[in-house]
Amino acid sequence: NAGVTQTPKFQVLKTGQSMTLQCAQDMNHEYMSWYRQDPGMGLRLIHYSVGAGITDQGEVPNGYNVSRSTTEDFPLRLLSAAPSQTSVYFCASSRERADTQYFGPGTRLTVL
Amino acid sequence: AQSVAQPEDQVNVAEGNPLTVKCTYSVSGNPYLFWYVQYPNRGLQFLLKYITGDNLVKGSYGFEAEFNKSQTSFHLKKPSALVSDSALYFCAVRDISAGKSTFGDGTTLTVKP
Repeated sequence: NAGVTQTPKFQVLKTGQSMTLQCAQDMNHEYMSWYRQDPGMGLRLIHYSVGAGITDQGEVPNGYNVSRSTTEDFPLRLLSAAPSQTSVYFCASSRERADTQYFGPGTRLTVL
Repeated sequence: AQSVAQPEDQVNVAEGNPLTVKCTYSVSGNPYLFWYVQYPNRGLQFLLKYITGDNLVKGSYGFEAEFNKSQTSFHLKKPSALVSDSALYFCAVRDISAGKSTFGDGTTLTVKP
């Protein structure tokens, strides 16, 4: 199993550009989440999904969209990038509600 | 709403000494608590979890955590620290009704030789 994979590893955008961060898992996990990690602020939940076709907002959803058309994939879209979205983004998945989360290696995004 | 607090940004210990990384939580209902570790430029890795049962939970790499319901704490401990334990540690609480987690701000552990 590859576990949770994220692409790209690094990305530089200009203000106003859009892009999609990819996340995929091959463990047949129902629960998937997107977090951003900023220095001194821990991990903040952006969006999450409890199964294919179901998504919900987390703590900091503004400026981001998600969809979950398959169990495996959970892409995160930045609609119009802003410097405040410069961060490291992590995708995570878990099998059940109370289960351990498995994290991807992260995407480091810089918005100029 | 649930929350997690890690009151120390940084913990420094000497190799061979015991270590404690503190975590307190606030939840309505039964707590589902986790510790994760992050090494530089890597994703988070699971260390241990408390769901129910024994208050002392044993995890990976010799770590353990003590659940204390009256103090709403879930401190991470290790009897003898290694230099390789130096990393960023996160405490998290899982809202199982919603299927989402809340993380603390993280504590940087530095173990000096």
